[in-house]
Amino acid sequence: ETGVTQTPRHLVMGMTNKKSLKCEQHLGHNAMYWYKQSAKKPLELMFVYSLEERVENNSVPSRFSPECPNSSHLFLHLHTLQPEDSALYLCASSQVGGGAYNEQFFGPGTRLTVL
Amino acid sequence: AQKVTQAQTEISVVEKEDVTLDCVYETRDTTYYLFWYKQPPSGELVFLIRRNSFDEQNEISGRYSWNFQKSTSSFNFTITASQVVDSAVYFCALSEASGGSYIPTFGRGTSLIVHP
Repeated sequence: ETGVTQTPRHLVMGMTNKKSLKCEQHLGHNAMYWYKQSAKKPLELMFVYSLEERVENNSVPSRFSPECPNSSHLFLHLHTLQPEDSALYLCASSQVGGGAYNEQFFGPGTRLTVL
Repeated sequence: AQKVTQAQTEISVVEKEDVTLDCVYETRDTTYYLFWYKQPPSGELVFLIRRNSFDEQNEISGRYSWNFQKSTSSFNFTITASQVVDSAVYFCALSEASGGSYIPTFGRGTSLIVHP
C-alpha cells in the first residue's frame, strides 16, 4: 500500500449503530487529520493529531470520537449519529515541524450515509 | 486569523480554453504557505503545489501555472488549453507558520467544468 488509505470506502448505518472509520498512512508523516465534507459546504476540519497527541478539536459533537494509536493509524469512532452527519469523511497526513509546513496527502474518503 | 477566499463558485469552459482560478488570502504572519489541491469526482484531494511566502516566483508545470503576488495577497492558478480531465473542484489553502499551528485554512473551492 502507498499513500493514505481509508476503509471502508462506503458505509451506511442507522442512527443507533456504532461503527469506526480507519485511516492508515504509509508516508512516514507525523501529523494526521480528519475532515468532513458535506455537499455545498466548506471542507470542515474535525480533528488533528500531531506526534500522536490531539492538538485541536474543532467543536465536533461527542458522537464522533477519534483515536490515534500511533503515527500511522487514525480512527474515527461513530455512535448515535444523525442524518446530517451523512458526508464524505477524508483523512489526511502531513509532515510538520522543523520550521516547515508541508502539503497534506489525502485518502480517498469514506462516503457515510446515516439513515 | 487566516482566511482564504475563492470567489468563483463554478466555472464552465469549453475544451482548449484557458482558465484562471482566483485565490485571495488574508494573514498577519510574514511566514506562511499556500497550496492548491484538486478534487476530481472520485473524491480524493490531490496536492498540486506549495508556495512559501518568501518565494514569489511564478511556477509552471506543463499546462498548469501559478501566479503568486504578495502585493495583492493572491495566488491564482491558470490552466492552459483545458481538457475534460481537468474537470474537478480546486481548493486553495493557507497555513501560517507561527504559533505552532499545523492547521491549514481551505477556501470553499471552485468547481471547474470543462466541456468537450
